[in-house]
Amino acid sequence: KQEVTQIPAALSVPEGENLVLNCSFTDSAIYNLQWFRQDPGKGLTSLLLIQSSQREQTSGRLNASLDKSSGRSTLYIAASQPGDSATYLCAPAGTASKLTFGTGTRLQVTL
Amino acid sequence: DTGVSQNPRHKITKRGQNVTFRCDPISEHNRLYWYRQTLGQGPEFLTYFQNEAQLEKSRLLSDRFSAERPKGSFSTLEIQRTEQGDSAMYLCASSHLGETYGYTFGSGTRLTVV
Repeated sequence: KQEVTQIPAALSVPEGENLVLNCSFTDSAIYNLQWFRQDPGKGLTSLLLIQSSQREQTSGRLNASLDKSSGRSTLYIAASQPGDSATYLCAPAGTASKLTFGTGTRLQVTL
Repeated sequence: DTGVSQNPRHKITKRGQNVTFRCDPISEHNRLYWYRQTLGQGPEFLTYFQNEAQLEKSRLLSDRFSAERPKGSFSTLEIQRTEQGDSAMYLCASSHLGETYGYTFGSGTRLTVV
């Protein structure tokens, strides 16, 4: 059974800092891995999708890496802004693309 | 492409009542998923459809829960005889068939059982 751990559970940084969110998973037999953002009381917004054959994906200030063999992914956020405040969830996809989620990293970016 | 739509956004019901939620996926997506999220936790898989066929159900989905996807379009999730432990956010997502595609989630339906 896939298990996902995200570290840290919560993070508070001043605006402008670069930061790294970590995700580890126990079963490396995955097809892809998605990073999502969730604002309080809202649904999930997809940020990045990394295929199992890829090492990283970039979108704007976001960069996600994947090391499938070691069961790790990181999300790098450059030049953080208050609007980045949210919970970030990583989710590796197994058979039939079923996702397994961790409990997320709650990020607060302060002015 | 208007995204994944879920209705209602919020539902408050008394314990023991039945509730039904609806999800309209992105039209060209073959797969439709239901997840449940409780406060402070990540979403947990409940069930998924490929076109109109329900291919897998989680053990979380007790026999009080039933999901349908008639004609492979929208889906409904019904909870009978609701319990306070059913209070959660119910999330729907859709994707193309194939493991290389990502998900698009809806905004969710927040259920509160009082």
